[in-house]
Amino acid sequence: DVKVTQSSRYLVKRTGEKVFLECVQDMDHENMFWYRQDPGLGLRLIYFSYDVKMKEKGDIPEGYSVSREKKERFSLILESASTNQTSMYLCASSLGQGAYNEQFFGPGTRLTVL
Amino acid sequence: DAKTTQPPSMDCAEGRAANLPCNHSTISGNEYVYWYRQIHSQGPQYIIHGLKNNETNEMASLIITEDRKSSTLILPHATLRDTAVYYCIAVPSGAGSYQLTFGKGTKLSVIP
Repeated sequence: DVKVTQSSRYLVKRTGEKVFLECVQDMDHENMFWYRQDPGLGLRLIYFSYDVKMKEKGDIPEGYSVSREKKERFSLILESASTNQTSMYLCASSLGQGAYNEQFFGPGTRLTVL
Repeated sequence: DAKTTQPPSMDCAEGRAANLPCNHSTISGNEYVYWYRQIHSQGPQYIIHGLKNNETNEMASLIITEDRKSSTLILPHATLRDTAVYYCIAVPSGAGSYQLTFGKGTKLSVIP
């Protein structure tokens, strides 16, 4: 069974802390994605990666960075957490594009920044 | 990317077929129709996708009209576990087309 796992389901951090969210996929997928989901705003893409050490900005990259040192692992970093980064964070992976763009999502990390 | 329109909510009796419509009148020839669903407090789950032809897998069937301006997702025998928000999206097939843009979707409630 295909699987995308995220390091935490729930996380509480303080303003100004550096936060690491980890995502691992076991499907040998090329592409990995980080989204955030907020009520009324839907799913918004933060960053994605189409290969190891490659990254592309999504719609809302400000305040975030990413790291992909190995194919199976994609990390999202909040350099200095702020309260407006309280959200549900979702990681996904996919094999390719277009006809091969089925994205498989992890369970999500609900981050609260106090 | 083409905009899709879905009803905000639908009810379906348990054991009956759930037919979820999606309007995508501005879809272009190289855009696929993808369906995902999101059960409360979980990540979205891929269901099915198609370009022109009808498609079926173990979860659902996808019927796309001949003019490709609309489609219907069919869950043949809905169960309580199918209660979720269902998203219909148009995804380009070209190079560089990675991003998924979810709208508000249809909240399907399966009633016992």
